[in-house]
Amino acid sequence: DTGVSQNPRHKITKRGQNVTFRCDPISEHNRLYWYRQTLGQGPEFLTYFQNEAQLEKSRLLSDRFSAERPKGSFSTLEIQRTEQGDSAMYLCASSLLESGNTIYFGEGSWLTVV
Amino acid sequence: QKEVEQDPGPLSVPEGAIVSLNCTYSNSAFQYFMWYRQYSRKGPELLMYTYSSGNKEDGRFTAQVDKSSKYISLFIRDSQPSDSATYLCATPSGSASKIIFGSGTRLSIRP
Repeated sequence: DTGVSQNPRHKITKRGQNVTFRCDPISEHNRLYWYRQTLGQGPEFLTYFQNEAQLEKSRLLSDRFSAERPKGSFSTLEIQRTEQGDSAMYLCASSLLESGNTIYFGEGSWLTVV
Repeated sequence: QKEVEQDPGPLSVPEGAIVSLNCTYSNSAFQYFMWYRQYSRKGPELLMYTYSSGNKEDGRFTAQVDKSSKYISLFIRDSQPSDSATYLCATPSGSASKIIFGSGTRLSIRP
């Protein structure tokens, strides 16, 4: 079991550019989550999928953010027209619906917007 | 008011000490609580979870929930330098799919 895998681990981009992060969940986990974490804060919920359906989105997820999970396997999080305030660690997590509320995180993708 | 509040620390204790980490929560409907440990520049890893009130022990770690005061605690016995990390308390909010976290307490164990 390789755990939740996220790519790239680090991304530096210029303001206004688009970036995309990929998450591969634990095999057979049907729920997938995206969180954002800034320095000194806990992870903040962005959105989650159950299989391929995006079931909940936070108000934090502005229209510049879009997440997909085609075929209910890996997921991508795209940020368009990046702003300096988007600099954060983007965490992906997955879980099994049947196992309740326990979610398992990946190592995160660090985004720095310059 | 945040739904889960946590003292950010930092907390520094000598090796071998007993550590107490605490969180308060605002919604009495919360019933399931988790503690995550996060090393610097890594993702959070699940340490323990507990339902309802009372204690749950796992090795050197004990999780405690006091529903009457909406207070959750994590105790670490015989603390080790490898325990130095940020500890996050968490609970499902509203829909069970959304886990909310405290801001984390940064812990440092001095050798």
